[in-house]
Amino acid sequence: GQSLEQPSEVTAVEGAIVQINCTYQTSGFYGLSWYQQHDGGAPTFLSYNALDGLEETGRFSSFLSRSDSYGYLLLQELQMKDSASYFCAVRDWNTDKLIFGTGTRLQVFP
Amino acid sequence: GAVVSQHPSWVICKSGTSVKIECRSLDFQATTMFWYRQFPKQSLMLMATSNEGSKATYEQGVEKDKFLINHASLTLSTLTVTSAHPEDSSFYICSAKRGSGHEQYFGPGTRLTVT
Repeated sequence: GQSLEQPSEVTAVEGAIVQINCTYQTSGFYGLSWYQQHDGGAPTFLSYNALDGLEETGRFSSFLSRSDSYGYLLLQELQMKDSASYFCAVRDWNTDKLIFGTGTRLQVFP
Repeated sequence: GAVVSQHPSWVICKSGTSVKIECRSLDFQATTMFWYRQFPKQSLMLMATSNEGSKATYEQGVEKDKFLINHASLTLSTLTVTSAHPEDSSFYICSAKRGSGHEQYFGPGTRLTVT
C-alpha cells in the first residue's frame, strides 16, 4: 500500500519562502505529484516529478528523492492567494490509483 | 482542455433518501474515472475506480451497495448514495484520466449534506 505523510499546518508571511515536505512509504509508484486545494474547491495540479531532482514551474518548485522516500514542494514569493491546502500524491504502478498524502494547510499572513 | 464537471455542486437531502451525483468529462474521453470523498480538514480518500462498461472497483471499507457507481460511457460516471445518513455528509469529488498518462483531472466537487 501507499502512505504519504505531510505536516498538518505551515504558516508564513507574504514574500517569504516555504517548503512543504512529503515522506512516503510505497510499494512502487510512477511519480510524485503536488496539488493545491482552496477551501470548498477541487484539487488543482501543480507539479509532477517522475525522476529524482528539482522541477521548477514559476514560483513553485518540487523535488523528489526516491532513495530517501522524500519529496517537497517549495513556494517562493508567497502571496495571500497561496493560502490553501497542499497535497502530495503518488500513482501506484500496480493499481494506477492516485493516492493522496495527509495534506498541509498553508496560511500566509500579511 | 481536460475539463471535468460535476452536478449538482451541492445537495441537501433527508436521511433515508438517495442522491445521484453526475461526473462528466467535457472535452475528452475518460478511460478511467475515480470517486473520492473528503471530510472537513482531511485528505481525499479514494472510494472507487471505474472503467467504462465495467463494474467499479471499491476501496476497502467502502460499501458497494451503498455507493453505486455506474460508468455508462467514456464521458459519464454517476455515484448514487443510497439510503443516505448524516454520516455520509461530505465533499464528493470525481476525477478522470485518459489513457495511460499520469495526469488526472478533477471535477469541482459536490457537497452533500444529509439532514
